[in-house]
Parts: sequence; C-alpha cells; structure tokens
Amino acid sequence: SQKIEQNSEALNIQEGKTATLTCNYTNYSPAYLQWYRQDPGRGPVFLLLIRENEKEKRKERLKVTFDTTLKQSLFHITASQPADSATYLCALDIPGGYQKVTFGTGTKLQVIP
Amino acid sequence: GAGVSQSPRYKVAKRGQDVALRCDPISGHVSLFWYQQALGQGPEFLTYFQNEAQLDKSGLPSDRFFAERPEGSVSTLKIQRTQQEDSAVYLCASSLAETEETQYFGPGTRLLVL
Repeated sequence: SQKIEQNSEALNIQEGKTATLTCNYTNYSPAYLQWYRQDPGRGPVFLLLIRENEKEKRKERLKVTFDTTLKQSLFHITASQPADSATYLCALDIPGGYQKVTFGTGTKLQVIP
Repeated sequence: GAGVSQSPRYKVAKRGQDVALRCDPISGHVSLFWYQQALGQGPEFLTYFQNEAQLDKSGLPSDRFFAERPEGSVSTLKIQRTQQEDSAVYLCASSLAETEETQYFGPGTRLLVL
C-alpha cells in the first residue's frame, strides 16, 4: 500500500514569507495528487489537483509541483497571511476505477503576524 | 447551494452502545465516501457508495461497522457495541460523479466513547 509522509512537525513562518510544505510517497506513482486544507473542527476543503504528467499547477497564491522521479509534491503559499494558518493534507489517488484517495497525516501551518 | 451536512456534530456514547451517524451529501452527487480521522492523523477511508450501491467497504475496521445509502442520497454509518478505540471524527464526503476527483467534505461527527 502507499505510504505518504508529510512534515510531522508544525511549520511556523512569518507573515509575508513563502510557506513550503512537502508530501513524499514511497510506492507507485499516482495518476494525480491533491492538496486539501483543514481547519479545526471542520472537514477538509479541496485546494488543488495536479496530474502525473504535470510539473506545476498554480491558483492565486498557491503553487503545487509534482516530481514523479523524486516521488514528491511541494505545496507553496506565497505572501502568506495569518488566515492561511491551518492543517494541509495531501491525498494520492488509488487505482481502482473510482476516485478513491489515501491521505497523508497533514502538516500544521502557523503564519505569525 | 448547501454543502455536505452531518449529524449529530458531537456524540458521546457509553461503551457497548450503538450509534448512528448521518450524512446528507450535496444534492445530485453520485459518489459518497466515509472516512475516520483520529486526532493528529489524516482521514482514513472506510467505505464508498456509488448511488445506493456500496462498492467498497474494505476500510471498515470490523463487522461492528455498517453503512447504508438506501435511496442513493442520505447515508448512515452505524457502529454497534461501540468501543473506546472507535472514538474519532467521522467524515463524510461526496463528489458529483465516479469520475470526479474533487471530494466535498462535511464538518464531521466527533464521536467519544466512554
């Protein structure tokens, strides 16, 4: 089965800086990888999806990269704001005919004003 | 447009009690997923429905867990004879079609078994 590793330690950064979160996987390369945001007491919210044949995807201040050789995705938030403070989860698809995914443990990001 | 809703939001059960958790997906969404999320962990897959058909229940931890979606909309996750290790947040997610990758999550039900 797929093993996914995200920074287990919380990430603290200063407001205005770029936050970079890492998602590493160990087995097969997924057809796509997703990033979700989760706030305390809430369900995850979809942010971005990147496919195996894409190197980079952007949405406003968010950027995701996908390196199938390194088996790694990087998630960047530029010009970070305190409102970006949350836990960020990566999710990888599991082959099987419907869109089943497996989630990482998440990285807690704290943006300090 | 209403999102995915779940009820109750919080449930305290005594060990051995049966519980039922409800999920109302987004109207018209074909796919429905249940996940279990322990504190500090990511969501773990429990089961998947395509309309009323339960196509995958490989993540259900024991035969005490049972899920249904009889009319292809509302779903219920039932846990019989609850144990302390069942304490977790139970998340429901729906997506428009079986080919749609984006899942829309509800707020979850936090279950505490004493």
